[in-house]
Amino acid sequence: EAGVAQSPRYKIIEKRQSVAFWCNPISGHATLYWYQQILGQGPKLLIQFQNNGVVDDSQLPKDRFSAERLKGVDSTLKIQPAKLEDSAVYLCASSLDRAGGSYGYTFGSGTRLTVV
Amino acid sequence: LAKTTQPISMDSYEGQEVNITCSHNNIATNDYITWYQQFPSQGPRFIIQGYKTKVTNEVASLFIPADRKSSTLSLPRVSLSDTAVYYCLVGQYGNKLVFGAGTILRVKS
Repeated sequence: EAGVAQSPRYKIIEKRQSVAFWCNPISGHATLYWYQQILGQGPKLLIQFQNNGVVDDSQLPKDRFSAERLKGVDSTLKIQPAKLEDSAVYLCASSLDRAGGSYGYTFGSGTRLTVV
Repeated sequence: LAKTTQPISMDSYEGQEVNITCSHNNIATNDYITWYQQFPSQGPRFIIQGYKTKVTNEVASLFIPADRKSSTLSLPRVSLSDTAVYYCLVGQYGNKLVFGAGTILRVKS
């Protein structure tokens, strides 16, 4: 089974620029998550989708971050404008349902963003 | 959400059994305990999940005492490739995963 695909793998941008990350979850997984992981910390949930609807975006900085999941499959996360403190790894994860099933969430390898 | 406490880091040698204990004193009745493993430059990977007593799979064992206020992840005969960060998560089945800082396990030869 193919894993969760994310691109790009790395991105370097200047502050105040915009950036977008793409995620393709495992086929058939209804639930999709975006996490932010700052160096040395555990991942922090930004947004959770169930199919193409938002379940939880309470920790998404909505003044600069946006996310969408069109047609309930692929998802994009955008930052505009970026700040230095947005430098982190952005992880996408998917699961069969909100419960995660017997195998929990499956994470992608992430996109490492550096804002200079 | 139940707060979890894990050691910041642990060292071990190849071939040894490693036990990582997680404290979760205010665990709720409906909460499950889940462990994830994360290698550098990769996303976390699900290891094991349990509610009470003992759960074992091909990778690890999870021991949960009767009061469920702590849990222990046991990795048998570790190798260098088990060097990673291990996260203990507590929450209701189906709720979002909330990660703490995790435990850095370093396996030496």
